Amino acid sequence: DAGVTQSPTHLIKTRGQQVTLRCSPISGHKSVSWYQQVLGQGPQFIFQYYEKEERGRGNFPDRFSARQFPNYSSELNVNALLLGDSALYLCASSPSVIGENIQYFGAGTRLSVL
Amino acid sequence: GESVGLHLPTLSVQEGDNSIINCAYSNSASDYFIWYKQESGKGPQFIIDIRSNMDKRQGQRVTVLLNKTVKHLSLQIAATQPGDSAVYFCAENMFSGGYNKLIFGAGTRLAVHP
Repeated sequence: DAGVTQSPTHLIKTRGQQVTLRCSPISGHKSVSWYQQVLGQGPQFIFQYYEKEERGRGNFPDRFSARQFPNYSSELNVNALLLGDSALYLCASSPSVIGENIQYFGAGTRLSVL
Repeated sequence: GESVGLHLPTLSVQEGDNSIINCAYSNSASDYFIWYKQESGKGPQFIIDIRSNMDKRQGQRVTVLLNKTVKHLSLQIAATQPGDSAVYFCAENMFSGGYNKLIFGAGTRLAVHP
C-alpha cells in the first residue's frame, strides 16, 4: 500500500511569491495534518483537517492556509513568502482525530525562499 | 508551556551496543507518546508508541519506558546497527478542542560507528 505522498519534492521561490504544496493521505485515512520543520529542529504543527474541515491550527500567520478535498487529499498554501518560510513541509495522515491515532508522515516538500 | 525536549543532542555508539535516547515532557496531562525516526531527506517514521497507563512497551529491538512521576521517556535500541543512524524524536500527542497535534522536541542524532 502507498504511504503518504507529497508533491513537489523540492521547490524554489522568491520572497513575496505564493506556493501550493500537495498531499495524498494513506488510503482510508480521513485526517491530514501539516507540519513545518526548520533545519535542525523538530516539526511544528500548522493545521489539522478532518472530513474536509479545519479542526485545529497552530501558531502560524494568516499567510498560511489549507484545504482538504472530498478524496481527503490536501493542499497547503503560503502567500507572501518570507525568507523564514524556508523549511521542510511535512504532511501526516491518520484514520481519525479522536483518541490515540498514529500520524504517518510523508517525505515532505523542501521549500527554499530566496 | 507546551514542550517536549531531549537531554542529549548527539549520541555516538558502537555497532552492536545498546542505545538509550532520553526525552522529557512538560504537560503532566499528556497520555500518549510516540517515537519517530527521521533519516536524512525523509519524513519522520513511526517507531513505537506508549499510552500513559503503561510504563513499558516493547517492539522489535526497541523498548520505550515511561516515567510519569518525573515526566520522562526513553527509547532503548538493542544491538544498534548502522541502519539505526538517524535523528530520533519523541512526540507528545495533545488532544484538545476536537483535534490532536504532535508536540516534538528538537531531536537526538544517533551515530552508529562500525
